[in-house]
Amino acid sequence: QVQLQQSGPGLVKPSQTLSLTCAISGDSVSSNSATWNWIRQSPSRGLEWLGRTYYRSKWYDDYAVSVKGRIIINPDTSKNQFSLQLNSVTPEDTAVYYCARRGAAGTFDFWGQGTLVTVSS
Amino acid sequence: EIVLTQSPGTLSLSPGERPTLSCRASQSVSSSSLAWYQQKPGQAPRLLIYGASSRATGIPDRFSGSGSGTDFTLTISRLEPEDFAVYYCQQYGSSPYTFGQGTKLEIK
Repeated sequence: QVQLQQSGPGLVKPSQTLSLTCAISGDSVSSNSATWNWIRQSPSRGLEWLGRTYYRSKWYDDYAVSVKGRIIINPDTSKNQFSLQLNSVTPEDTAVYYCARRGAAGTFDFWGQGTLVTVSS
Repeated sequence: EIVLTQSPGTLSLSPGERPTLSCRASQSVSSSSLAWYQQKPGQAPRLLIYGASSRATGIPDRFSGSGSGTDFTLTISRLEPEDFAVYYCQQYGSSPYTFGQGTKLEIK
């Protein structure tokens, strides 16, 4: 059974960087069939896919237009985890952030527990 | 980007009733790459249906999905108390993967 465990701070100041980590058990970040995603949820924007990292003979990443230029999703093969960095945050980035696996069927079949991140001074 | 519109926004029903939830896409969803998720307060979404009509592992057979192209439906044959939650559709046929705004199923 795949499990995703999120960690990271719940409060970030405006203009600073939001950083979260998702530790994977039961699968590998280097899997050739899965992709590793970050999704956020807020009352104003609903559920919003932010981006993904995945390995297909080499590493790829792919980001939503809404956050492109501010976001980096990185794999860490030594710890079997992946991370989210979102730069220059504003209060509009306040949301619950989830990591999720997109499995071979194409759906988000396993999710982390969610982290409420508040952007406030 | 494919926009998904769910209706109704809220459905007030009693246990034992049979709700039908709708999800309409702004353009055709390729290969019926449409999923349904259930979310309860304080929890992550849980996958119910994939490929428009296939139940995920461990999902009771009272949940069924149908549809293709731009119109999709989730039906619960007989509501149980634990089914009151918010339901989201999601398309995964083309990036960016998008979600509907949700239908809240509440106890009448």
